[in-house]
Amino acid sequence: AQSVTQLDSQVPVFEEAPVELRCNYSSSVSVYLFWYVQYPNQGLQLLLKYLSGSTLVKGINGFEAEFNKSQTSFHLRKPSVHISDTAEYFCAVSDPWASKIIFGSGTRLSIRP
Amino acid sequence: DTEVTQTPKHLVMGMTNKKSLKCEQHMGHRAMYWYKQKAKKPPELMFVYSYEKLSINESVPSRFSPECPNSSLLNLHLHALQPEDSALYLCASSQAGGSNTEAFFGQGTRLTVV
Repeated sequence: AQSVTQLDSQVPVFEEAPVELRCNYSSSVSVYLFWYVQYPNQGLQLLLKYLSGSTLVKGINGFEAEFNKSQTSFHLRKPSVHISDTAEYFCAVSDPWASKIIFGSGTRLSIRP
Repeated sequence: DTEVTQTPKHLVMGMTNKKSLKCEQHMGHRAMYWYKQKAKKPPELMFVYSYEKLSINESVPSRFSPECPNSSLLNLHLHALQPEDSALYLCASSQAGGSNTEAFFGQGTRLTVV
C-alpha cells in the first residue's frame, strides 16, 4: 500500500520569495508521484508528475520538484512566488497500474504582499 | 479536449431525496474515479472504475451507488443521504495503466444535504 505525508499544513511566504513544500511517500512497489493545486471552490489541477527518468521534474507556473528515492521524498519548489500562487497543494501517489491515486493531507500556501 | 465535466455544479437535497451526479470525459480514458472532499481536507477515494467495471469500492455506504454506463460517462446515484455527506464530490479520469497515469479532475459538485 502507498501513503503520502505532507509535513506542513500551512506555509506562509512573502511575495517573490522562494518556497518549498515538503512531501514524503511510502510504498513497497515503484510509484508515480504527482503534485496537484486546488484553488478555492475549484477542482484539482496537475502541476507536475514523476513517472520515471530524470529526478528533476518541471511543471506549470514555474514549479519544479525533485524525486529522491533514498529519502522517499518529492518536494515542490518555486524560486519566486506570486500572489496568484495562493492555493492548497496536494502531493499524491499512485501505483503504476493507476488503480488508486492517494493524496496527502495538503499544504495551504499563503502569500503575503 | 482535456476536460472532465461534472453536473450539476451545486446540489441541495433533502435526506429522503434521490439524486444523481454526472461526470463525462472524451479523452478516451478507461479509468474513472469518484472522490469525496470535505472542507480543508484532501480528496478521499470512493470508487474506481476500470474498463467500465467497478474495481475499487473503498467501503462506501450503500446510499452511494456508482454506475458507469459507457467509457465516457460516470454517475453517482444518491439516496437517503445524511447531513454529514455534504461535501465536494470530484470526478476524475485517467488512462488505465501504462506510462501516463495522471488523473484529470472535474470542477466538482458541491452537495449540501439538508
